[in-house]
Amino acid sequence: QVQLVQSGAEVKKPGSSVKVSCKASGGTSSSYAFSWVRQAPGQGLEWMGGIIPIFGTLNYAQKFRGRVTITADISADRSTSTAYMELTSLRSEDTAVYYCARDAVAGTKGASDWGRGTLVTVSS
Amino acid sequence: DIQMTQSPFTLSASVGDRVTITCRASQSISTWLAWYQQRPGKAPKLLIYQASSLESGVPSRFSGSGSGAEFALTISSLQPDDFATYYCQQYNTYPWTFGQGTKVELK
Repeated sequence: QVQLVQSGAEVKKPGSSVKVSCKASGGTSSSYAFSWVRQAPGQGLEWMGGIIPIFGTLNYAQKFRGRVTITADISADRSTSTAYMELTSLRSEDTAVYYCARDAVAGTKGASDWGRGTLVTVSS
Repeated sequence: DIQMTQSPFTLSASVGDRVTITCRASQSISTWLAWYQQRPGKAPKLLIYQASSLESGVPSRFSGSGSGAEFALTISSLQPDDFATYYCQQYNTYPWTFGQGTKVELK
């Protein structure tokens, strides 16, 4: 059973940056993929980007290109991996819950496992 | 980007009803479509992947169908736990995109 544990809530000023982490444990596949999805208050789900760590493959939604950076680290024994999402030049419209999600085998299910979400509030 | 359009936006139904939510893609996505359920304040939960495959642990009253650009999620007999918002997502082409969501509410 895969567990995704995200970092805690953040309050940021407009113009600053935020970096959210997502630690994954469990699972046996090495060709998994992480995605980052956000949800503004009362709104739907918005895919921001994703990474396949074993291949280093990155994809971003055009809307966030230039402001978002997704990275991932894999532990030496491959028992855990951590994905990061950094969003820069924050504005009030970036206030949202940010979810990480993982597909055990990249591209097979979309996102089979989800973190609980990290609330990022952008306010002066 | 591939646009995903769900209908209806809101669906009012009673326990025991059979309900269907549709999802249309702006171009063919083969069967690279997932359905998620989201309850208020919770993370989405995968229900269906590859258009019609039931995720492990998901009740069999949920089913998915379709291919190409037209898809559907059916709940055969609505249960109290099923009142939630449902999203489709295509993962055929980057950027992956979601439908706007369908809220299933109690009539």
